Formats: sequence, C-alpha cells, structure tokens
Amino acid sequence: SQQGEEDPQALSIQEGENATMNCSYKTSINNLQWYRQNSGRGLVHLILIRSNEREKHSGRLRVTLDTSKKSSSLLITASRAADTASYFCATDAWWIYNQGGKLIFGQGTELSVKP
Amino acid sequence: DGGITQSPKYLFRKEGQNVTLSCEQNLNHDAMYWYRQDPGQGLRLIYYSQIVNDFQKGDIAEGYSVSREKKESFPLTVTSAQKNPTAFYLCASSMQGTDTQYFGPGTRLTVL
Repeated sequence: SQQGEEDPQALSIQEGENATMNCSYKTSINNLQWYRQNSGRGLVHLILIRSNEREKHSGRLRVTLDTSKKSSSLLITASRAADTASYFCATDAWWIYNQGGKLIFGQGTELSVKP
Repeated sequence: DGGITQSPKYLFRKEGQNVTLSCEQNLNHDAMYWYRQDPGQGLRLIYYSQIVNDFQKGDIAEGYSVSREKKESFPLTVTSAQKNPTAFYLCASSMQGTDTQYFGPGTRLTVL
C-alpha cells in the first residue's frame, strides 16, 4: 500500500527557478528518503533525513521534515534542465511490518525544467 | 565497477509464457528487492529477500516467483498467472540494517 502522497503530481518551471515538492505520510517513521528517476531509468538516492532531524542540505537540495504534520518537502534551488525527472519520497516501514529494509514509496512528482 | 545490473533492458512475452528477469549485484548487499512500476505510478513491492535462501512476499506477489540461491543474484519469474504483467520492473539492493536502496536500470516487460 502506498503511504506517501506527493504534491504536486507534476511541476513545470523555467531554468533558474526553485522547485518545491511535498510528501505526506500516514504512520510514524524512522527516516524519510528522496529519490530521483530519469525517464525509463532506475531510481537514484538523493538524501535521507532521520525523524529527529528537521532540515538537511545536500548541494542544491534542501529537505525538511515535520513529524508532527507527517510531511516533508524537497526544494531544488536554481534548477537546471538536467533536473528534469520524477522525484519520489520513501519512508521506512518499521511501524507497519516490524522489520527493516522495506520502503514505502509515494507516487512521485514529475518535474520539468524548461531551458 | 560496483553496481546492480538488470537484464534484459526490454523483454517481450507472449500470453501464457513464463519469463525470467535477471538481477545481479556486486555491492555485497544482503538484501534485495523487486518492484513493479506502472506508468505515472510509484513503486510497488513484489518480493524481497534479506538473506540467501530466504525471501518474503511483498504487496503484489501473486503471479510472480523468485529465488535467492546466491547473495549476488535475485531473479524474478513472471508467470502466466500474472494477469497484467506489462510494466517496468526494478530491482534494488541494500546493506543489512540500512534503509537506502540502490536500484538497477530496470527491465521493461511487454506482453504481446
């Protein structure tokens, strides 16, 4: 079952603008991850934020986590055409399956960055 | 090069046939996973294995089978019992005790 709900489903911006994607989830989590998928390719891990962290940065990426609202956001600053891809949030599944390793993915946000 | 590979990249199957998708990793990861992705959708877990010779069903295991005879390999068989097998299949692996998964490039299966 899908736990993550992502918003918006699709986002189109111009190069240089910032892109913000949101993810909401339903159960308690230990961590939340963001992955990127270029069209027709596998997923690539971008960043992991733990439940006791509120914000994390990696290059042009900024991730926030609000466990009280069960939501996370991914901000890509100064976007480039090469950032065009689908972005997925994924939460760990400890609280559902009582075991590690499994992830539950959202349905993704399709980002298009126009040059 | 360390990584996870899937083959073939494209696979065509006639109705009623079983097909096997290959997934190999040289990352020395204990855990491996198979996901199915339909157009515009997220990933759904088919099967996963946390150790050699052991595997568990995911959310949509019906019509699929797997084996885990070697740590490096986790092949997925799509059987004729799978009603709608046309999809993009992704294999992933992870280190024991961690949640970050590393994905292969995927296999696109089309039923003719």
